[in-house]
Amino acid sequence: GAVVSQHPSRVICKSGTSVKIECRSLDFQATTMFWYRQFPKQSLMLMATSNEGSKATYEQGVEKDKFLINHASLTLSTLTVTSAHPEDSSFYICSARERGGNQPQHFGDGTRLSIL
Amino acid sequence: AQTVTQSQPEMSVQEAETVTLSCTYDTSESNYYLFWYKQPPSRQMILVIRQEAYKQQNATENRFSVNFQKAAKSFSLKISDSQLGDTAMYFCAFMKGGGSQGNLIFGKGTKLSVKP
Repeated sequence: GAVVSQHPSRVICKSGTSVKIECRSLDFQATTMFWYRQFPKQSLMLMATSNEGSKATYEQGVEKDKFLINHASLTLSTLTVTSAHPEDSSFYICSARERGGNQPQHFGDGTRLSIL
Repeated sequence: AQTVTQSQPEMSVQEAETVTLSCTYDTSESNYYLFWYKQPPSRQMILVIRQEAYKQQNATENRFSVNFQKAAKSFSLKISDSQLGDTAMYFCAFMKGGGSQGNLIFGKGTKLSVKP
């Protein structure tokens, strides 16, 4: 089956640090990748949609300069949380969608980000 | 805009019994897909079942089946012979079809507890 690898699974760092999270589709090409944020006991909130080779599309209220997304290849998208602050602490999940047709999204295992 | 509503924040069921999780949605689209995702305590998002709106037949995956009522915009999930490993958050999700980006719109989730 389609596998999405997300790394790291857990990050603890100081306020002001920039943190990069990687999302890789291991056995398929993903023209579209999605980044979600999930607060405790809540649903997934879409942050941005990333298409290979083009700029990401951000959802309303998501700061594009704060959350930098790069989708440089068909198997890799990265989310960089710049100058992270405690309020950025959350669970971040990526997903990837296979090329062609109306394919389902396959999710990574998520990254728990804690900013001290 | 599409919305997905899960009216049951929490449910519980005895092991080996059957439970039904409710989901309703609102859309003016005619071409769309519906999903149920499971998120166990590990927080991995696992696709449980998928339904194409143009198909009248309800989708089935082993112990999991749906009752898709298109006119009523209802998409409930039935879990038969519940197992302890079914304990998780369950999210209903909507996706536009017709070559859209494939954004998923999630409901708020239902926390299911399977009791021994």
